[in-house]
Amino acid sequence: QQQVKQSPQSLIVQKGGISIINCAYENTAFDYFPWYQQFPGKGPALLIAIRPDVSEKKEGRFTISFNKSAKQFSLHIMDSQPGDSATYFCALRQGGAGSYQLTFGKGTKLSVIP
Amino acid sequence: DVKVTQSSRYLVKRTGEKVFLECVQDMDHENMFWYRQDPGLGLRLIYFSYDVKMKEKGDIPEGYSVSREKKERFSLILESASTNQTSMYLCASSLLGNNIQYFGAGTRLSVL
Repeated sequence: QQQVKQSPQSLIVQKGGISIINCAYENTAFDYFPWYQQFPGKGPALLIAIRPDVSEKKEGRFTISFNKSAKQFSLHIMDSQPGDSATYFCALRQGGAGSYQLTFGKGTKLSVIP
Repeated sequence: DVKVTQSSRYLVKRTGEKVFLECVQDMDHENMFWYRQDPGLGLRLIYFSYDVKMKEKGDIPEGYSVSREKKERFSLILESASTNQTSMYLCASSLLGNNIQYFGAGTRLSVL
């Protein structure tokens, strides 16, 4: 079954605007929620991550908002730039010792137009 | 600097061929992963390994096997390639106890 639902599938934002990508999950046993960024021809790279004991984490123009009761978390990109154009994946990690796997969302292709 | 190297960027194989995809990491990471990436399906885990000679099935292991004889090297094997295995294959590694996965640039495999 699909453990994480990511939306939208694609997003076009004007330069300077706010990009918002959402993820919803079903299992409450997840304990780590990263976002990965992938540029064309490259592998994904960790952008920002959050644990469920905080509701928000900000790094520069990138913010994760986490709503534990709603089982949702989202990525906000403030002042979006053409260089932010990439595919973004949310992911989840199952809690517990010895857990190494991440489950990824299907991805959102972001295009920031000048 | 962290580095995960996949031996080929592009590979074209025939149906029924045995295919080896190689991945090497230079970070002394314990964990290594193989994913396939398809449009609209995201990244799906095929196999992972948390130690030399150890392997665990991921979400879509059918038609694949893996080998990890040395800590730095993790190979994905398609015993008899089929057209539905045409995809982008991504290798990743992580340190034991650390959640951050580092990815290679990927191998785009076409099976004709």
